[in-house]
Amino acid sequence: DAGVTQSPTHLIKTRGQHVTLRCSPISGHKSVSWYQQVLGQGPQFIFQYYEKEERGRGNFPDRFSARQFPNYSSELNVNALLLGDSALYLCASSSQETQYFGPGTRLLVL
Amino acid sequence: AQSVTQPDIHITVSEGASLELRCNYSYGATPYLFWYVQSPGQGLQLLLKYFSGDTLVQGIKGFEAEFKRSQSSFNLRKPSVHWSDAAEYFCAVGGMDSSYKLIFGSGTRLLVRP
Repeated sequence: DAGVTQSPTHLIKTRGQHVTLRCSPISGHKSVSWYQQVLGQGPQFIFQYYEKEERGRGNFPDRFSARQFPNYSSELNVNALLLGDSALYLCASSSQETQYFGPGTRLLVL
Repeated sequence: AQSVTQPDIHITVSEGASLELRCNYSYGATPYLFWYVQSPGQGLQLLLKYFSGDTLVQGIKGFEAEFKRSQSSFNLRKPSVHWSDAAEYFCAVGGMDSSYKLIFGSGTRLLVRP
């Protein structure tokens, strides 16, 4: 079975630009979560969506937004990029208690 | 406050030696506990999880972890480390009260000496 897929794998942007990251969950999983992992740290929770509804939001500014589509795939959008947004963005899908992670999208903001 | 502490930033062990990685958590409700492993530039792979029941849980790749409620700990162990185990290990806590969103520790980097 296919795992969680994310695209793109790598991305380079400049300050002030916006970015859209995409995630496809494991087949049958209805919940998608997004995490930001800055170099040298553990992942930090950004958003969780379940059945297209936002179920939770972490301590991130309004520049970060997300949505989930009818097929349960998801997008994470970040506006007005800052240097500090450079990180590995991880998507996880879950059916209930256990989250399974994708390979991540590495974003570099110059 | 909900948090996870992994007190060891780096650990170096010799191949074939035993391993224990420490994890302490603070969580107000019944915790669901996880260990994930991350190889350089990769996503997170689930090693094992604890929800309830037997406090000693077995995972993939020969890893096990023991939940000790009195110590708020969930330490990861392996009896004999292989060179391929070199990676970063993350402990995480979640629960039904927080819709299972995960709180991660800062990770422990495992180095394996040949």
